[in-house]
Amino acid sequence: AQKVTQTQTSISVMEKTTVTMDCVYETQDSSYFLFWYKQTASGEIVFLIRQDSYKKENATVGHYSLNFQKPKSSIGLIITATQIEDSAVYFCAMRQTGFASALTFGSGTKVIVLP
Amino acid sequence: EAGVTQSPRYAVLQEGQAVSFWCDPISGHDTLYWYQQPRDQGPQLLVYFRDEAVIDNSQLPSDRFSAVRPKGTNSTLKIQSAKQGDTATYLCASSLEGNTEVFFGKGTRLTVV
Repeated sequence: AQKVTQTQTSISVMEKTTVTMDCVYETQDSSYFLFWYKQTASGEIVFLIRQDSYKKENATVGHYSLNFQKPKSSIGLIITATQIEDSAVYFCAMRQTGFASALTFGSGTKVIVLP
Repeated sequence: EAGVTQSPRYAVLQEGQAVSFWCDPISGHDTLYWYQQPRDQGPQLLVYFRDEAVIDNSQLPSDRFSAVRPKGTNSTLKIQSAKQGDTATYLCASSLEGNTEVFFGKGTRLTVV
């Protein structure tokens, strides 16, 4: 069984600065995907960025980047140049590769971007 | 392209009542998921389908919850005899086999009083 743990419940940052969120995971699978999703105040869940376990390079999309440390089973999310609209709850999730697997989510980290 | 559509958006029940949630996945998506998200927690998988077949329903409280996807398209999640502990947002999601991205609907917020 897979397990995803986010220990930071809430982070406040000033606008235009960088925020980093932690996530550790447990899995028996040799190949898997790691994801970060954002849930807005309206409840909408939006995909942000993905890391494939077999890739050594950290994924980057826009102002989102990942800090993938496979030996530590860790996948951190870094948001640079934060904006007010980055205020949301961020979920780390994983799924195994292969046939019809489901996402396992962490408990989420609430980010508050202050003006 | 239309996203994942769920209805109703909100439901308020008394304990013991029944409720059904409906989900229309993205056209062509063969995999459909139902998640339960209690307040201030992450989504927790209830059940998922590939086409009309149940792949995993091990987390579905089988005595009161049921889910079907008879034609491999739309899906219904039903709660018989709701309890206060069922208060949560119920999320439907879909994906296409071979594609890693999962798309979520806006959810149904259920309150059981």
